[in-house]
Amino acid sequence: QVQLVQSGAEVKKPGASMKVSCKASGYTFTNYYIHWVRQAPGQGLEWMGIINPSGGSTSYAQKFQGRVTMTRDTSTSTVYMELSSLRSEDTAVYYCAREESVGYCSGDICYSVPVYDYWGQGTLVTVSS
Amino acid sequence: DIQMTQSPSSLSASVGDRVTITCRASQSISTYLNWYQQKPGKAPKLLIYAASSLQSGVPSRFSGSGSGTDFTLTISSLRPEDFATYYCQQSYSTPRTFGGGTKVEIK
Repeated sequence: QVQLVQSGAEVKKPGASMKVSCKASGYTFTNYYIHWVRQAPGQGLEWMGIINPSGGSTSYAQKFQGRVTMTRDTSTSTVYMELSSLRSEDTAVYYCAREESVGYCSGDICYSVPVYDYWGQGTLVTVSS
Repeated sequence: DIQMTQSPSSLSASVGDRVTITCRASQSISTYLNWYQQKPGKAPKLLIYAASSLQSGVPSRFSGSGSGTDFTLTISSLRPEDFATYYCQQSYSTPRTFGGGTKVEIK
């Protein structure tokens, strides 16, 4: 069965970096994009970026440009998300999510709609001095 | 970036009530709109994709509608396990923005 298993909780000091892993299993790793989404305590979901595990190409939310790096290791089917120059506002649960393209037809027109069909369990990162 | 605005941000309802949550996009996203349910301490779960298609395994009391900029999630008869927070998300373009969420609480 498809699983995304993330690394454990971390406590970091302001200014430090964090690196969260997301290990995929149960499917062909290189066939599905992985997204990273975070959720600050009591807040909503915030999209951070996407990585294509096949070629390693990435796209990041402008808010995180220059601070975030997403990489992958195809030998272990693992995606990594590194965030640098941490501040207290980065305290959040970080999720990886697999993107599936689901077919949808309306009349004669068919689309492929991206959805998040599997999520990791989340990794709590606390930034505190 | 496409902004997604959900309303209300919270609501109180009783078991058996009909509940409607709305989501508005800042520009047309056709039907590239998905709804997720999140319970405390858990990852979100896909309920509805392409604005109105029910994800496999999701009860039929959940339904979605809309296209363009205005969308609706409806729970026809609220059950105890439906008390959660609901998020819309556009998958029309990156960044894949989410609505602010709607917390459905027990009255």
